Amino acid sequence: AQSVTQLDSHVSVSEGTPVLLRCNYSSSYSPSLFWYVQHPNKGLQLLLKYTSAATLVKGINGFEAEFKKSETSFHLTKPSAHMSDAAEYFCVVSAPGPPSGGSYIPTFGRGTSLIVHP
Amino acid sequence: EADIYQTPRYLVIGTGKKITLECSQTMGHDKMYWYQQDPGMELHLIHYSYGVNSTEKGDLSSESTVSRIRTEHFPLTLESARPSHTSQYLCASRAYNEKLFFGSGTQLSVL
Repeated sequence: AQSVTQLDSHVSVSEGTPVLLRCNYSSSYSPSLFWYVQHPNKGLQLLLKYTSAATLVKGINGFEAEFKKSETSFHLTKPSAHMSDAAEYFCVVSAPGPPSGGSYIPTFGRGTSLIVHP
Repeated sequence: EADIYQTPRYLVIGTGKKITLECSQTMGHDKMYWYQQDPGMELHLIHYSYGVNSTEKGDLSSESTVSRIRTEHFPLTLESARPSHTSQYLCASRAYNEKLFFGSGTQLSVL
């Protein structure tokens, strides 16, 4: 079984200030973790992914995330917010099922709406 | 560049109608998914497929059905639409590196 908890439904920042979007996960197996972004009236786009290589993962548009196994967290950060970062962000976990058969079914968090003020 | 297409983009229909939402991808991906998303909410998995002739129900109880006769095509059918089916439906396919590619979605309104 796997699950994802995004700790904030909304995050509001001023342009130029740091962004922190929090995500905790639960998985019975070594998971792959992802962050996707959804801009209004646009499709979901992959920001970055973690797949058991480096724990600090760099993505597109200046975003990065750190995998912390001890805390079961995968928080998304950006040093300086831009107006164009305003969107919905989804944390996703994908893990294999039991040894008898893989599943890799992606499970989405509830999403965090990032609001950027000028 | 996503090569996954959903049609129609918007659909308004009356209660009781049968509808099929189309999803096609040209990337040769075996794994495909249908998600339902209400405004400002998470994506709920309603169906998935591991390949041709493979279909499974997801976590969210759904009155829809899917088929996978060809790798590139994964249509979703509602036999009798109801107002409770009003939502956005997103189709996705999964690459070998686990990246998901999403279509633009179908916004369904049932009156």
